[in-house]
Amino acid sequence: AQSVTQPDIHITVSEGASLELRCNYSYGATPYLFWYVQSPGQGLQLLLKYFSGDTLVQGIKGFEAEFKRSQSSFNLRKPSVHWSDAAEYFCAVASISNDYKLSFGAGTTVTVRA
Amino acid sequence: DSGVTQTPKHLITATGQRVTLRCSPRSGDLSVYWYQQSLDQGLQFLIQYYNGEERAKGNILERFSAQQFPDLHSELNLSSLELGDSALYFCASSATGENTEAFFGQGTRLTVV
Repeated sequence: AQSVTQPDIHITVSEGASLELRCNYSYGATPYLFWYVQSPGQGLQLLLKYFSGDTLVQGIKGFEAEFKRSQSSFNLRKPSVHWSDAAEYFCAVASISNDYKLSFGAGTTVTVRA
Repeated sequence: DSGVTQTPKHLITATGQRVTLRCSPRSGDLSVYWYQQSLDQGLQFLIQYYNGEERAKGNILERFSAQQFPDLHSELNLSSLELGDSALYFCASSATGENTEAFFGQGTRLTVV
């Protein structure tokens, strides 16, 4: 069975500073990996996804993530955080491309301080 | 706006009752997924429908059921409700084919009292 671990429950970062959110997955075959963001009272919005190919993936809102098979990781990064990036971030894995039976991590809440 | 519409946005009901949550997928999307987000269980996949047929089941309780209608909207029925069923229920839809994306609705917040 596939699973996702997000080690950090809560991260506080200053506006303009860089951000890195960790995600480790457990899956025997090729994983399909996703990062979603959830703002308060909102649904989930896809930031980026990795299916295959280049292991550095660019997403929306200036986010990127790097797939490292050797470390079973798919960490999310942003070079300079804006106050509007305060939200909860979820890493997810699927076993089949274009199949959205997703296993989600527990989420990381990001607080941005001025 | 994701294009996925869920109604109602909020629902408060008593234990033992039955409720129906509705989801209208994005135009043309054949797949509908239901997820539950609770404080203790996090985000969990419940069930998937594809073009009217059940495609996959996740951690869905026997008290819960779903269906997808010919017009592709879907309903999630929750019965004999317990306090622990209080959660945010999301619907997502996706198209068929390569390089697709699942679009999530804003959810229905269910409170069981």
